[in-house]
Amino acid sequence: DSGVTQTPKHLITATGQRVTLRCSPRSGDLSVYWYQQSLDQGLQFLIQYYNGEERAKGNILERFSAQQFPDLHSELNLSSLELGDSALYFCASSFSPSWGETQYFGPGTRLLVL
Amino acid sequence: GENVEQHPSTLSVQEGDSAVIKCTYSDSASNYFPWYKQELGKRPQLIIDIRSNVGEKKDQRIAVTLNKTAKHFSLHITETQPEDSAVYFCAASIGDGSGGSNYKLTFGKGTLLTVNP
Repeated sequence: DSGVTQTPKHLITATGQRVTLRCSPRSGDLSVYWYQQSLDQGLQFLIQYYNGEERAKGNILERFSAQQFPDLHSELNLSSLELGDSALYFCASSFSPSWGETQYFGPGTRLLVL
Repeated sequence: GENVEQHPSTLSVQEGDSAVIKCTYSDSASNYFPWYKQELGKRPQLIIDIRSNVGEKKDQRIAVTLNKTAKHFSLHITETQPEDSAVYFCAASIGDGSGGSNYKLTFGKGTLLTVNP
């Protein structure tokens, strides 16, 4: 157990819908990262937050957004869902976004869009 | 941006044999290279990492080597066991080494390692 929690574990929804994935970092960690894992694309970095502020963006679609709250938990919002958004979404956390800081992954949320 | 290539995509070995997974990266500024192990249906877990000021690092049966000139790094697992069977991901990141900076990991596409008893 890494100490990072994610809810829900599974999510099934329909195309066009909107969902929210939640992540709580390890106690003491200030930085949160979101990744999308699909069979053909591997682990893709989406976005990073540090102490409530957005720090880096990766291959995140405009239909997706995220935020980190004052209590440091983070939410990833996925809207206008398409079949291709079906994937495993991981959250990871680290104490800071500094160089060489280990990222600890949560158990993931498996999203299925029908 | 950074691009990480990982080979092979699948690797099957007999228990007790060694396994080697290789990665190349494109951005010469990358300076941190972690390796993650992901068992089926589970989260990626860090197994070893190396920083650009080190050429080799070893932890029991696992070792990682880094060749900055050639921009490649490798994972070596010796005396493989069935519980080593998993998907292994390499990653690379750029950081300036100072607190408060940001860095993101770029992952390879993974290697499915199967250790046959």
